[in-house]
Amino acid sequence: DVQLLESGGDLVQPGGSLRLSCAASGLTFSSYAMTWVRQSPGKGLECVSGISGGGGDPYYADSVKGRFTISRDNSQNTLYLQMSSLRAEDTAIYYCARSPGFAVKSRYYFDYWGQGTLVTVSS
Amino acid sequence: DIQMTQSPSSLSASVGDRVTITCRASQSMSVYLNWYQQKPGKAPKVLISAASTLQSGVPSRFSGSGSGTDFTLTISSLQPEDFATYYCQQSYSTPWTFGQGTKVDFK
Repeated sequence: DVQLLESGGDLVQPGGSLRLSCAASGLTFSSYAMTWVRQSPGKGLECVSGISGGGGDPYYADSVKGRFTISRDNSQNTLYLQMSSLRAEDTAIYYCARSPGFAVKSRYYFDYWGQGTLVTVSS
Repeated sequence: DIQMTQSPSSLSASVGDRVTITCRASQSMSVYLNWYQQKPGKAPKVLISAASTLQSGVPSRFSGSGSGTDFTLTISSLQPEDFATYYCQQSYSTPWTFGQGTKVDFK
């Protein structure tokens, strides 16, 4: 069974940094594009950043461009999101999600999701 | 970015009702539209991809239709386990974007 397990969420002050991880199992990790999707409390879903199976072609939402960096270590089956200059509006549950294709811009859906990790930005 | 607008934002229904949720895109995107179901405290679950392809294990009471800018999710006979929030998501161009959600609750 495919499993995605996020970690790294925490309470952080505005302007601070945090790194999220998503450990994958039950799949050939390097074959699939991965995306970070966040959900603010009581609000909808936003695709924050995505990356192709080989680690190339990352994209970012305008709201995080220049502050967040996505990466992956295929030897460790792990996806990362480095977040800096955090703002109150970054407070959300962060999910990692898999697309059933290699290229991040393949026109697929998200077929597997993790359980999410909570990031709270507050002083 | 492509903006996705769902309607209604919420609806109240009874078991056995036929429920229809619509999603409109700000630009034409062929059939690159997916539907998800989310229950409280859980991650979203994909129901339908490419506008009308039912995902494995999803009951046949769920169906999707549409192309271009207008799409529809239909639940033919609402069951107790279907009370949830439903989201559309476009996979035509990055960044992928979601609709704001439609909450289906008990009448």
